[in-house]
Amino acid sequence: DQQVKQNSPSLSVQEGRISILNCDYTNSMFDYFLWYKKYPAEGPTFLISISSIKDKNEDGRFTVFLNKSAKHLSLHIVPSQPGDSAVYFCAANGGSNYKLTFGKGTLLTVNP
Amino acid sequence: GAGVSQSPSNKVTEKGKDVELRCDPISGHTALYWYRQSLGQGLEFLIYFQGNSAPDKSGLPSDRFSAERTGGSVSTLTIQRTQQEDSAVYLCASSLGAGIETQYFGPGTRLLVL
Repeated sequence: DQQVKQNSPSLSVQEGRISILNCDYTNSMFDYFLWYKKYPAEGPTFLISISSIKDKNEDGRFTVFLNKSAKHLSLHIVPSQPGDSAVYFCAANGGSNYKLTFGKGTLLTVNP
Repeated sequence: GAGVSQSPSNKVTEKGKDVELRCDPISGHTALYWYRQSLGQGLEFLIYFQGNSAPDKSGLPSDRFSAERTGGSVSTLTIQRTQQEDSAVYLCASSLGAGIETQYFGPGTRLLVL
């Protein structure tokens, strides 16, 4: 039973355009959501997070949107750069549950 | 400051052998987590340590897996009698405390069981 789903295994965009990565969750107890970026042969690097009390959080080129009613979040990267090419994982936890539940990841390729 | 470090970075072993994986968390972080990522999968929670509390071992896949954390810092994950399905990247993370805290990951140990 996948509680966090990233339905697009891959995404390809042109440099300078917007990248939109999507994530859906099923567990209504989740109230904290994170995005991690992972390069090959490296561990995941924390990118941005959002609490369920917000619907948007922005950090530079990265914005995360949360739609609690739809149990959906998305990561927007604007403008996309070739160095953004990596696997992006959506993760969630909530309540007293410190364990992060991860999606399977989306491979983003930004073409020069 | 230094991030989470793990050793070895790569480990190749024969089926049936025991392996030990090590994690050094970020200094001052009281919470430590082990996850693993099998090929094509997301990260799967294994075990969690918080301060001096009893660890949460609910994610360990079998009794061949065990972990300990000495002195509230370094942790070792041990896999006994390794099987081919144990092949994965084993990732350690740490956070300042328990609950809703950002977890910071190490580079992982890539384990291949032949």
